[in-house]
Amino acid sequence: GENVEQHPSTLSVQEGDSAVIKCTYSDSASNYFPWYKQELGKGPQLIIDIRSNVGEKKDQRIAVTLNKTAKHFSLHITETQPEDSAVYFCAARWRNKLSFGAGTTVTVRA
Amino acid sequence: GAVVSQHPSRVICKSGTSVKIECRSLDFQATTMFWYRQFPKQSLMLMATSNEGSKATYEQGVEKDKFLINHASLTLSTLTVTSAHPEDSSFYICSASRVGAFQETQYFGPGTRLLVL
Repeated sequence: GENVEQHPSTLSVQEGDSAVIKCTYSDSASNYFPWYKQELGKGPQLIIDIRSNVGEKKDQRIAVTLNKTAKHFSLHITETQPEDSAVYFCAARWRNKLSFGAGTTVTVRA
Repeated sequence: GAVVSQHPSRVICKSGTSVKIECRSLDFQATTMFWYRQFPKQSLMLMATSNEGSKATYEQGVEKDKFLINHASLTLSTLTVTSAHPEDSSFYICSASRVGAFQETQYFGPGTRLLVL
């Protein structure tokens, strides 16, 4: 099956700085890579996704990059705000199923 | 758009009883619904995949007779935890992918916190 590794496990940034989370996947057949934000006690919320035919995608302060050759993808959050504090999960889709990374707890310091 | 609801949001039950959790796609029809379990400070683990009108496909290690899944319509799937035990206490989350374009996108419900005493 697909194996997704995510780093770092925790990330503390000063408000206004950027945050970067990196993920790698194992199966080259994976073709869809979403990122989810999960706040305490809530379900994951899709924040951005990228398909394998695209190298980069941006939505306001959030961007995702994909390197298919190296099998890794990254989430970039610019101008971080306190409300960005949450757990972020990357995932890779393989055979109609999502495999999730272990998650990154992001804390934005005011 | 793409709102998924779950009911109940929280349930406490005695060991040995059964608990039913509903998952609904409110503003779209879902080709497929997924059930996940999440333990504290851990990632999401897929339990099963269900398609409307078909039997669910369970992941390895998930007991299909213990976790009964019914996908009655394109907007409703239910998970029944039968004869629940304390080790079944967890956060259960469903997701749904819509009919039509971008079927790979999964939208998650708010989750159901199950506590078995």
